[in-house]
Amino acid sequence: GQQLNQSPQSMFIQEGEDVSMNCTSSSIFNTWLWYKQDPGEGPVLLIALYKAGELTSNGRLTAQFGITRKDSFLNISASIPSDVGIYFCAGQWNYGGSQGNLIFGKGTKLSVKP
Amino acid sequence: SQTIHQWPATLVQPVGSPLSLECTVEGTSNPNLYWYRQAAGRGLQLLFYSVGIGQISSEVPQNLSASRPQDRQFILSSKKLLLSDSGFYLCAKSEITGNTIYFGEGSWLTVV
Repeated sequence: GQQLNQSPQSMFIQEGEDVSMNCTSSSIFNTWLWYKQDPGEGPVLLIALYKAGELTSNGRLTAQFGITRKDSFLNISASIPSDVGIYFCAGQWNYGGSQGNLIFGKGTKLSVKP
Repeated sequence: SQTIHQWPATLVQPVGSPLSLECTVEGTSNPNLYWYRQAAGRGLQLLFYSVGIGQISSEVPQNLSASRPQDRQFILSSKKLLLSDSGFYLCAKSEITGNTIYFGEGSWLTVV
């Protein structure tokens, strides 16, 4: 099925570093969501974006809804060990009163640098 | 409340055996409910979604089925499991007026 291009696929972080990841799509969305998944658990919603150009923060996390509506970015500032996990972006197109299906990226796996 | 209960949390089943994963949700009435599957190292794949009791839409043809016998109950079933059915199954919900989907804790299924 349709998927978003999420990059990078994986990255290693050192405590205190800033982290950036992004998602791009060939089609436009009017909702972008970012989730984090810890091993063996369900994804947890981090940030929801509903408007092109919107910039939203949740603690050390900041996400932006791209102006073209085809991309979104997630930044983590001053990373800490508990930031490790898999981060998923998800895009959705909602029209009228109907809710479109959520399309997920393949995830960005954050690990601690050895 | 976005509480979503899934059980069992882990399951090991032989090939050809039946499956029943249950999900119940709390919150407002008439939520949209979803079943997703996540294979190891891969993204999330939508299997079924439901906008109301008895209303099921299938996204991927396969040997799985879903049912919604009550407003806040969503069940994933199979009559005969295949090895390829192994994975992490996630129940999710969204409010009828909302755009955001929330996930349960997931159920690990290993078919042997």
